[in-house]
Amino acid sequence: DGGITQSPKYLFRKEGQNVTLSCEQNLNHDAMYWYRQDPGQGLRLIYYSQIVNDFQKGDIAEGYSVSREKKESFPLTVTSAQKNPTAFYLCAIRGRGNYGYTFGSGTRLTVV
Amino acid sequence: DAKTTQPPSMDCAEGRAANLPCNHSTISGNEYVYWYRQIHSQGPQYIIHGLKNNETNEMASLIITEDRKSSTLILPHATLRDTAVYYCIVRVAGGAGSYQLTFGKGTKLSVIP
Repeated sequence: DGGITQSPKYLFRKEGQNVTLSCEQNLNHDAMYWYRQDPGQGLRLIYYSQIVNDFQKGDIAEGYSVSREKKESFPLTVTSAQKNPTAFYLCAIRGRGNYGYTFGSGTRLTVV
Repeated sequence: DAKTTQPPSMDCAEGRAANLPCNHSTISGNEYVYWYRQIHSQGPQYIIHGLKNNETNEMASLIITEDRKSSTLILPHATLRDTAVYYCIVRVAGGAGSYQLTFGKGTKLSVIP
């Protein structure tokens, strides 16, 4: 994944529970992003962070929370307030220059 | 960001060239055209990008029309492993601060044996 690691690959959650998805990078990039993808759909932005201790809401932030205490880590918490959390979650970092994003391999979250 | 329009699906015979079109008629002068692809259950992968000149790398070629209102991604010899969803995105690149890429539904390319 070019220096970006998401874990776990599969995650099951009971209704009403919070769950945290991990995203770690070792490329020393400042900008990190979380996207959600539903079957047959494009990617929707949840949160992004440009620098440590700062983050911004994306298009669908309700029911999610993030933190950016370290440059290399940007964990996403799916809270019980997220009514339909079953989805594929992707973390990305912004590359230097014009090369766009590098994505992790994703976490598939299923509510059981 | 300029909006892009892509066909929802295309088929291509293995070994032939795959030509994936994208319309971006509202593109502005400082917006680049990016292409990514997403193989099933993986994260999107960067393929190529360009501003106004045609570009080629080890994966593909990008042809941008002179008026920049459309582009075509060319996979010269498609293989079964090229079966994926291909996203065309236009966005300002570089500069200070961060930027967001907006991924639509893309084109699902099926390479047929």
